[in-house]
Amino acid sequence: AQTVTQSQPEMSVQEAETVTLSCTYDTSESDYYLFWYKQPPSRQMILVIRQEAYKQQNATENRFSVNFQKAAKSFSLKISDSQLGDAAMYFCAYRTTNSGYALNFGKGTSLLVTP
Amino acid sequence: DTEVTQTPKHLVMGMTNKKSLKCEQHMGHRAMYWYKQKAKKPPELMFVYSYEKLSINESVPSRFSPECPNSSLLNLHLHALQPEDSALYLCASSQVISGWTEAFFGQGTRLTVV
Repeated sequence: AQTVTQSQPEMSVQEAETVTLSCTYDTSESDYYLFWYKQPPSRQMILVIRQEAYKQQNATENRFSVNFQKAAKSFSLKISDSQLGDAAMYFCAYRTTNSGYALNFGKGTSLLVTP
Repeated sequence: DTEVTQTPKHLVMGMTNKKSLKCEQHMGHRAMYWYKQKAKKPPELMFVYSYEKLSINESVPSRFSPECPNSSLLNLHLHALQPEDSALYLCASSQVISGWTEAFFGQGTRLTVV
């Protein structure tokens, strides 16, 4: 079974600063996909960024980037120039063919952004 | 239109009631999902439909009965629920079932069983 671990239940960052959320996963698969989803108080899960395991280049989406270390099974999210609207619960998720492509979520990190 | 619409947004039901949750999308997605999310926990997969056929049932109790009447609509029928079934129920859809495709989520139905 695959597990996704987010070791930081809560993080805090000042506006305009940079923060990194950590995620590790455990798998024996070679082909898989990794995601970061954001869930604000509105409850709607929103895709932030995704990465294919066979791609070595780290994914980037505007202020969001990942540090994907395949050998270490690590997939951290970096948020640059943090904004008040970034405050939310962030979930790291894993997906593979053998799980029917179901998203397997970590426990989440609650991000607080202070002015 | 990149929206998944769930109704109702809130639902309170007794343990002997029968109710239904509805999920609708008009993005042409052929994969639809039900997740259950307890407070301060991650979503847990319940069911997956692919081309209107049930493809995954994560050992969900029979008091939850999914239905996919057409490619745009997904229902979750509820009967004889327990208080521990109180949770946020999220619907999601994606183009097909594959590793890369983005899953779009609705805002959920907050269910309280009394």
